[in-house]
Amino acid sequence: GAVVSQHPSRVICKSGTSVKIECRSLDFQATTMFWYRQFPKQSLMLMATSNEGSKATYEQGVEKDKFLINHASLTLSTLTVTSAHPEDSSFYICSASTGAQPQHFGDGTRLSIL
Amino acid sequence: GNSVTQMEGPVTLSEEAFLTINCTYTATGYPSLFWYVQYPGEGLQLLLKATKADDKGSNKGFEATYRKETTSFHLEKGSVQVSDSAVYFCALSSIGGSQGNLIFGKGTKLSVKP
Repeated sequence: GAVVSQHPSRVICKSGTSVKIECRSLDFQATTMFWYRQFPKQSLMLMATSNEGSKATYEQGVEKDKFLINHASLTLSTLTVTSAHPEDSSFYICSASTGAQPQHFGDGTRLSIL
Repeated sequence: GNSVTQMEGPVTLSEEAFLTINCTYTATGYPSLFWYVQYPGEGLQLLLKATKADDKGSNKGFEATYRKETTSFHLEKGSVQVSDSAVYFCALSSIGGSQGNLIFGKGTKLSVKP
């Protein structure tokens, strides 16, 4: 089946640094990729939707300058958390879709900001 | 707006017990409905789906029937196993199969004891 690889799976860094998370579709071309954030014991909250070659569409309340999304190719999207602070600590999950098939999710990235 | 409500957990069952996790939805038009499963420390996996009224989705012994009259999509399994322990999310998409925007319920944690 379709596979989405998300890297890194876990990252711990100091406050003020920027962290990049990669999301790759390994065996299909993803016209659309989604980025979610999941707080402990809560559901997934959609942060933004990105289409290859165009700017991401952010959900209300998500700071676009804080969470930079790049979808440069049909198989790669990146989320960069800029100047991360402890309140940015969370579980970030990406998903990818061809548009006609269900979203396929990555295994998530556990981000911990000290 | 569109929303998904699912029963709060945690749900604790003994092996071979019958499982029901309730899910109801509010949506305009004719949404597609999904159940996703999240194992500890991992991303989401699509468990089953239904795209129109009276459709039954099934996979790995799990079933759910799209009931438009009751706006429900309850998840059932006749005999659970310890390996079914996970968090289950009900979700809907109002953009047909493309899942342009998945709306998730809050998730229900299932623990199956041997």
